[in-house]
Amino acid sequence: DAKTTQPTSMDCAEGRAANLPCNHSTISGNEYVYWYRQIHSQGPQYIIHGLKNNETNEMASLIITEDRKSSTLILPHATLRDTAVYYCIVRDSHGSSNTGKLIFGQGTTLQVKP
Amino acid sequence: DVKVTQSSRYLVKRTGEKVFLECVQDMDHENMFWYRQDPGLGLRLIYFSYDVKMKEKGDIPEGYSVSREKKERFSLILESASTNQTSMYLCASRSQGTDTQYFGPGTRLTVL
Repeated sequence: DAKTTQPTSMDCAEGRAANLPCNHSTISGNEYVYWYRQIHSQGPQYIIHGLKNNETNEMASLIITEDRKSSTLILPHATLRDTAVYYCIVRDSHGSSNTGKLIFGQGTTLQVKP
Repeated sequence: DVKVTQSSRYLVKRTGEKVFLECVQDMDHENMFWYRQDPGLGLRLIYFSYDVKMKEKGDIPEGYSVSREKKERFSLILESASTNQTSMYLCASRSQGTDTQYFGPGTRLTVL
């Protein structure tokens, strides 16, 4: 799986959009970009994933650059409950690892402030 | 709504005790996983299961065993708990052929 780089921490004002960047310059053509988050003392939560096109669901939007070397997760109207560690992962959808295990890096700690 | 539940949120056990952690998913997923999460070490895979009665060792299986008698239930067993098994234990499931894993709330186990 390709390596990702994320900022260690970010702050965002409540009600504003939170834009979380991720660099994955070694991503290969069949690797998807996945985002998970983990609120303190809870299990990780799947947010969104994409391959080439931008994606949107009820939680967030994912913007992937044309060269696919970076992406941005957007929480359009951040709330205090969005305070969490956000993980960006790239994975081969057909399973480069036959275990399917997820490897989380350090992620970005997002602090949403009132 | 997808749901993965774990039997306990917090558990305190003594060294040498046998410990059972249970995980149940209601999504009819074939694959299930047990991870542990420790500060600075991230998620580490203990065991996973492709389907009922099928299991494979992950990266750190020593001191653990698993059981998958029914599709919806995946149990993690600590045969003789030790203090270095104090950790957050996370169960996850996914549908075969997809890569999205759904996690339970976690069990924080303390071994004294």
